[in-house]
Amino acid sequence: QKEVEQNSGPLSVPEGAIASLNCTYSDRGSQSFFWYRQYSGKSPELIMFIYSNGDKEDGRFTAQLNKASQYVSLLIRDSQPSDSATYLCAVKGFGNEKLTFGTGTRLTIIP
Amino acid sequence: GAVVSQHPSRVICKSGTSVKIECRSLDFQATTMFWYRQFPKQSLMLMATSNEGSKATYEQGVEKDKFLINHASLTLSTLTVTSAHPEDSSFYICSARDWTSGELFFGEGSRLTVL
Repeated sequence: QKEVEQNSGPLSVPEGAIASLNCTYSDRGSQSFFWYRQYSGKSPELIMFIYSNGDKEDGRFTAQLNKASQYVSLLIRDSQPSDSATYLCAVKGFGNEKLTFGTGTRLTIIP
Repeated sequence: GAVVSQHPSRVICKSGTSVKIECRSLDFQATTMFWYRQFPKQSLMLMATSNEGSKATYEQGVEKDKFLINHASLTLSTLTVTSAHPEDSSFYICSARDWTSGELFFGEGSRLTVL
């Protein structure tokens, strides 16, 4: 079983709709969870991070964490064509500096 | 904001030669830097963790004699791909942790093509 799993997509969402990206992880001791956006040929850029169960909102982005289900998601409201990218979920364990990345979900926003 | 610079951004080399990639934190000190490799349409795979003033810690399956990492100062880590082969062609990305804030910043990446 992969440590961090994501649906590779592609996920197509109409402009203005909500895009929902999901991620599951296998290490129950994981403490910190990150969502990165990566455009083709570029390095990842941090969108959001979340440590506690529940929702965390930042502008059009909402991260949701459920540690009991070992599940973290990212919602993008009012999707824009510029949101089209690959979204990487990353997980950091307790006392561990390393980030483990999922394979990423390719998101396409259709104008 | 904080910036991590990688150089070169693109490099093409012949098989058997060595290539050095630099990762530099421009406005913060980084005691820890990480080197990742990303093949097309795949995720980032951690190669090694680089700590200033000490030997790098390599992930399982990564040849330390092939991928030489040096972290000689608080702002610079280098990755040298020795005796490069076409299968080493990949996107190499570094990240650096700001030792005061703990925040992690990624470099722009270096695309290596070995002919």
